[in-house]
Amino acid sequence: AQKITQTQPGMFVQEKEAVTLDCTYDTSDPSYGLFWYKQPSSGEMIFLIYQGSYDQQNATEGRYSLNFQKARKSANLVISASQLGDSAMYFCAMRETARQLTFGSGTQLTVLP
Amino acid sequence: NAGVMQNPRHLVRRRGQEARLRCSPMKGHSHVYWYRQLPEEGLKFMVYLQKENIIDESGMPKERFSAEFPKEGPSILRIQQVVRGDSAAYFCASSPVETSGGIIQETQYFGPGTRLLVL
Repeated sequence: AQKITQTQPGMFVQEKEAVTLDCTYDTSDPSYGLFWYKQPSSGEMIFLIYQGSYDQQNATEGRYSLNFQKARKSANLVISASQLGDSAMYFCAMRETARQLTFGSGTQLTVLP
Repeated sequence: NAGVMQNPRHLVRRRGQEARLRCSPMKGHSHVYWYRQLPEEGLKFMVYLQKENIIDESGMPKERFSAEFPKEGPSILRIQQVVRGDSAAYFCASSPVETSGGIIQETQYFGPGTRLLVL
Protein backbone atom coordinates (compact mmCIF):
# COMPACT_ATOMS: atom_id res chain seq x y z
CA ALA A 1 0.00 0.00 0.00
CA GLN A 2 1.15 3.52 -0.76
CA LYS A 3 2.20 5.39 2.36
CA ILE A 4 1.66 8.80 0.79
CA THR A 5 -0.87 9.38 -1.97
CA GLN A 6 -1.18 12.52 -4.02
CA THR A 7 -4.04 12.00 -6.45
CA GLN A 8 -3.63 15.20 -8.48
CA PRO A 9 -0.79 14.91 -11.01
CA GLY A 10 -1.50 18.44 -12.21
CA MET A 11 -3.47 21.43 -11.00
CA PHE A 12 -4.20 24.85 -12.45
CA VAL A 13 -5.16 27.94 -10.47
CA GLN A 14 -5.78 31.54 -11.40
CA GLU A 15 -3.40 34.08 -9.93
CA LYS A 16 -4.62 35.49 -6.58
CA GLU A 17 -6.99 32.58 -5.97
CA ALA A 18 -6.57 29.86 -3.35
CA VAL A 19 -5.74 26.27 -4.21
CA THR A 20 -5.79 23.02 -2.25
CA LEU A 21 -3.35 20.21 -2.98
CA ASP A 22 -4.46 16.83 -1.67
CA CYS A 23 -2.42 14.37 0.35
CA THR A 24 -3.51 11.22 2.15
CA TYR A 25 -1.24 9.01 4.19
CA ASP A 26 -1.15 5.58 5.73
CA THR A 27 0.66 4.72 8.95
CA SER A 28 0.16 2.72 12.11
CA ASP A 29 2.74 4.73 14.07
CA PRO A 30 1.13 6.89 16.77
CA SER A 31 3.84 9.52 16.34
CA TYR A 32 4.57 10.87 12.88
CA GLY A 33 5.18 14.10 11.04
CA LEU A 34 3.84 15.42 7.77
CA PHE A 35 5.72 17.81 5.51
CA TRP A 36 5.20 19.71 2.30
CA TYR A 37 8.06 20.60 -0.01
CA LYS A 38 8.12 22.72 -3.16
CA GLN A 39 10.32 21.86 -6.11
CA PRO A 40 10.50 24.62 -8.73
CA SER A 41 11.82 23.98 -12.22
CA SER A 42 15.32 24.83 -10.99
CA GLY A 43 15.19 21.56 -9.06
CA GLU A 44 15.88 22.40 -5.44
CA MET A 45 13.63 21.11 -2.64
CA ILE A 46 12.20 23.88 -0.48
CA PHE A 47 10.60 23.12 2.89
CA LEU A 48 7.19 24.77 3.24
CA ILE A 49 5.33 23.50 6.28
CA TYR A 50 5.25 20.81 8.97
CA GLN A 51 2.44 19.17 10.96
CA GLY A 52 3.03 16.82 13.87
CA SER A 53 0.58 14.02 14.61
CA TYR A 54 -0.01 15.35 18.12
CA ASP A 55 -0.44 18.96 17.10
CA GLN A 56 -3.88 20.23 17.99
CA GLN A 57 -3.84 23.18 15.62
CA ASN A 58 -3.43 23.15 11.88
CA ALA A 59 0.00 24.45 10.87
CA THR A 60 0.29 27.77 9.07
CA GLU A 61 3.27 29.50 7.48
CA GLY A 62 2.46 32.73 5.71
CA ARG A 63 0.30 31.91 2.68
CA TYR A 64 0.60 28.18 3.35
CA SER A 65 -1.65 26.25 5.67
CA LEU A 66 -2.06 22.57 6.26
CA ASN A 67 -5.57 21.17 6.59
CA PHE A 68 -4.87 18.23 8.90
CA GLN A 69 -7.71 15.73 9.34
CA LYS A 70 -6.27 12.95 11.43
CA ALA A 71 -9.27 10.61 11.36
CA ARG A 72 -9.33 10.77 7.58
CA LYS A 73 -5.53 10.58 7.37
CA SER A 74 -5.32 13.60 5.15
CA ALA A 75 -2.92 16.53 5.18
CA ASN A 76 -3.91 18.89 2.39
CA LEU A 77 -1.85 21.95 1.58
CA VAL A 78 -3.75 25.19 1.05
CA ILE A 79 -2.01 28.04 -0.76
CA SER A 80 -3.86 31.33 -0.48
CA ALA A 81 -3.57 34.24 -2.93
CA SER A 82 -1.58 32.25 -5.50
CA GLN A 83 1.33 33.95 -7.20
CA LEU A 84 3.04 33.14 -10.48
CA GLY A 85 6.12 32.09 -8.51
CA ASP A 86 4.08 29.34 -6.86
CA SER A 87 4.17 27.35 -10.10
CA ALA A 88 6.17 24.26 -9.17
CA MET A 89 5.96 20.61 -8.20
CA TYR A 90 4.68 20.06 -4.67
CA PHE A 91 5.51 16.98 -2.65
CA CYS A 92 3.83 15.69 0.49
CA ALA A 93 6.07 13.60 2.76
CA MET A 94 5.75 11.69 6.01
CA ARG A 95 8.21 10.71 8.70
CA GLU A 96 7.37 7.82 10.99
CA THR A 97 9.43 6.28 13.77
CA ALA A 98 12.17 5.57 11.25
CA ARG A 99 13.70 8.94 10.56
CA GLN A 100 13.61 9.01 6.77
CA LEU A 101 10.93 10.76 4.75
CA THR A 102 8.53 8.92 2.46
CA PHE A 103 7.40 11.10 -0.43
CA GLY A 104 4.31 11.12 -2.57
CA SER A 105 4.48 11.31 -6.35
CA GLY A 106 3.88 15.05 -6.39
CA THR A 107 1.43 17.56 -7.85
CA GLN A 108 2.49 19.95 -10.61
CA LEU A 109 0.86 23.31 -9.87
CA THR A 110 0.55 25.91 -12.61
CA VAL A 111 -0.56 29.43 -11.70
CA LEU A 112 -2.23 31.22 -14.60
CA PRO A 113 -1.94 35.01 -15.04
CA ASN B 1 24.03 30.56 7.94
CA ALA B 2 24.77 28.55 4.84
CA GLY B 3 22.29 25.90 3.82
CA VAL B 4 23.02 22.32 2.86
CA MET B 5 25.72 22.27 0.22
CA GLN B 6 26.15 19.63 -2.43
CA ASN B 7 28.77 19.29 -5.11
CA PRO B 8 29.07 18.85 -7.90
CA ARG B 9 25.72 20.17 -9.09
CA HIS B 10 26.04 18.22 -12.32
CA LEU B 11 28.12 15.12 -12.96
CA VAL B 12 28.55 13.21 -16.20
CA ARG B 13 30.06 9.75 -16.14
CA ARG B 14 30.50 6.95 -18.64
CA ARG B 15 29.27 3.47 -17.85
CA GLY B 16 31.71 1.69 -15.57
CA GLN B 17 33.19 4.81 -14.00
CA GLU B 18 32.83 5.88 -10.39
CA ALA B 19 30.70 8.76 -9.15
CA ARG B 20 31.39 10.61 -5.89
CA LEU B 21 28.77 12.98 -4.56
CA ARG B 22 29.50 15.27 -1.64
CA CYS B 23 27.21 16.82 0.94
CA SER B 24 28.01 19.34 3.67
CA PRO B 25 25.13 19.64 6.16
CA MET B 26 23.88 22.86 7.64
CA LYS B 27 25.91 24.18 10.55
CA GLY B 28 24.83 22.48 13.74
CA HIS B 29 23.21 19.54 11.97
CA SER B 30 24.63 16.10 12.60
CA HIS B 31 22.09 13.94 10.77
CA VAL B 32 22.45 13.41 7.04
CA TYR B 33 20.05 11.68 4.66
CA TRP B 34 20.51 10.79 1.00
CA TYR B 35 17.59 10.51 -1.41
CA ARG B 36 17.36 9.68 -5.10
CA GLN B 37 14.86 11.17 -7.53
CA LEU B 38 14.32 9.46 -10.83
CA PRO B 39 12.76 11.55 -13.64
CA GLU B 40 9.08 12.34 -13.08
CA GLU B 41 9.08 10.67 -9.64
CA GLY B 42 9.20 11.62 -6.00
CA LEU B 43 12.28 11.25 -3.84
CA LYS B 44 13.20 7.82 -2.51
CA PHE B 45 15.20 7.34 0.69
CA MET B 46 18.60 5.72 0.38
CA VAL B 47 20.59 6.07 3.58
CA TYR B 48 20.66 7.88 6.94
CA LEU B 49 23.95 8.70 8.62
CA GLN B 50 25.29 10.40 11.69
CA LYS B 51 28.93 11.26 12.18
CA GLU B 52 30.98 8.08 11.61
CA ASN B 53 27.86 5.90 11.72
CA ILE B 54 25.44 4.49 9.19
CA ILE B 55 22.12 4.40 11.01
CA ASP B 56 19.80 3.09 8.28
CA GLU B 57 20.80 1.98 4.78
CA SER B 58 17.61 0.10 3.98
CA GLY B 59 17.02 2.13 0.81
CA MET B 60 20.49 1.69 -0.60
CA PRO B 61 21.09 -0.81 -3.42
CA LYS B 62 23.14 -3.71 -2.07
CA GLU B 63 25.84 -3.47 -4.69
CA ARG B 64 27.95 -0.61 -6.02
CA PHE B 65 26.55 2.02 -3.64
CA SER B 66 28.16 3.14 -0.41
CA ALA B 67 27.95 6.14 1.88
CA GLU B 68 30.00 7.63 4.65
CA PHE B 69 29.94 10.63 6.96
CA PRO B 70 33.38 10.97 8.50
CA LYS B 71 34.23 12.83 11.67
CA GLU B 72 35.74 15.61 9.58
CA GLY B 73 34.53 16.64 6.16
CA PRO B 74 31.43 16.14 4.07
CA SER B 75 29.25 13.10 3.66
CA ILE B 76 30.08 11.13 0.52
CA LEU B 77 27.77 8.99 -1.59
CA ARG B 78 29.84 6.75 -3.81
CA ILE B 79 28.56 4.82 -6.81
CA GLN B 80 30.96 2.36 -8.37
CA GLN B 81 30.75 1.08 -11.93
CA VAL B 82 27.85 3.34 -12.82
CA VAL B 83 25.13 2.16 -15.20
CA ARG B 84 22.60 4.18 -17.19
CA GLY B 85 19.90 3.40 -14.63
CA ASP B 86 21.87 5.36 -12.02
CA SER B 87 21.08 8.59 -13.89
CA ALA B 88 19.02 10.62 -11.44
CA ALA B 89 19.07 13.58 -9.12
CA TYR B 90 20.65 12.77 -5.76
CA PHE B 91 19.61 14.93 -2.87
CA CYS B 92 21.18 15.26 0.53
CA ALA B 93 19.22 16.55 3.52
CA SER B 94 20.31 17.41 7.02
CA SER B 95 18.51 17.86 10.30
CA PRO B 96 19.54 18.95 13.78
CA VAL B 97 19.93 16.68 16.76
CA GLU B 98 16.57 15.82 18.28
CA THR B 99 16.32 17.69 21.55
CA SER B 100 12.91 16.69 22.88
CA GLY B 101 12.47 13.04 23.66
CA GLY B 102 9.55 10.98 22.43
CA ILE B 103 8.23 13.10 19.63
CA ILE B 104 10.25 13.45 16.45
CA GLN B 105 9.98 17.00 15.22
CA GLU B 106 13.05 17.99 13.35
CA THR B 107 12.73 19.14 9.76
CA GLN B 108 15.02 17.94 7.02
CA TYR B 109 16.51 20.69 4.90
CA PHE B 110 17.62 19.75 1.43
CA GLY B 111 20.61 20.68 -0.63
CA PRO B 112 20.29 21.69 -4.29
CA GLY B 113 20.97 18.14 -5.48
CA THR B 114 23.51 16.55 -7.81
CA ARG B 115 22.27 15.62 -11.27
CA LEU B 116 24.10 12.52 -12.38
CA LEU B 117 24.02 11.59 -16.04
CA VAL B 118 25.52 8.27 -17.11
CA LEU B 119 26.36 8.03 -20.79
